Amino acid sequence: DTGVSQDPRHKITKRGQNVTFRCDPISEHNRLYWYRQTLGQGPEFLTYFQNEAQLEKSRLLSDRFSAERPKGSFSTLEIQRTEQGDSAMYLCASSLFGTNEKLFFGSGTQLSVL
Amino acid sequence: DQQVKQNSPSLSVQEGRISILNCDYTNSMFDYFLWYKKYPAEGPTFLISISSIKDKNEDGRFTVFLNKSAKHLSLHIVPSQPGDSAVYFCAASAYGTQGGSEKLVFGKGTKLTVNP
Repeated sequence: DTGVSQDPRHKITKRGQNVTFRCDPISEHNRLYWYRQTLGQGPEFLTYFQNEAQLEKSRLLSDRFSAERPKGSFSTLEIQRTEQGDSAMYLCASSLFGTNEKLFFGSGTQLSVL
Repeated sequence: DQQVKQNSPSLSVQEGRISILNCDYTNSMFDYFLWYKKYPAEGPTFLISISSIKDKNEDGRFTVFLNKSAKHLSLHIVPSQPGDSAVYFCAASAYGTQGGSEKLVFGKGTKLTVNP
């Protein structure tokens, strides 16, 4: 069990640029979640997948955000035309569906939009 | 509309004493509750959980109590150790129509400081 891996750990970008983050879940986990956390707040749900199917997207997720999980393995989260308000820690988590599953989180990608 | 509330942003206790962290929820559909611990620059790590069919779950120094009628849960850490200093998040989920638990909803967290 190598845990949930996220890449990169840190990303600094200029407003208006596109960024993409990658998440590799625990290999036997079929559910994958993306959360966002800002200072002083708890993790905020963005979207989740079961295998390759995206089952739910938060209403907070604007059209500039898109997530994919091809072949039900790793996932990418892309933010287009970044804004300063996108600056946050982006957390990925995975779980095994049907086990009253607890989520296992990665270390996150810290995004700073200048 | 915050469905999971942790009203104490911070808590400070002496080493060896009990730490009690509180959490309230509003959604009566929640049936599974978890506590996560988070160190700076790391992702949250699972600590302990409780199903709504129980009112207590214990794991070593950590005990979670659930009062469904009050929609309240608490985490007790006894005895508290300096290494317990971290931010603690309460989270809840509901059994979904797809089967299995759906997404976790988190509170804002309580920063615990255990002083030597």
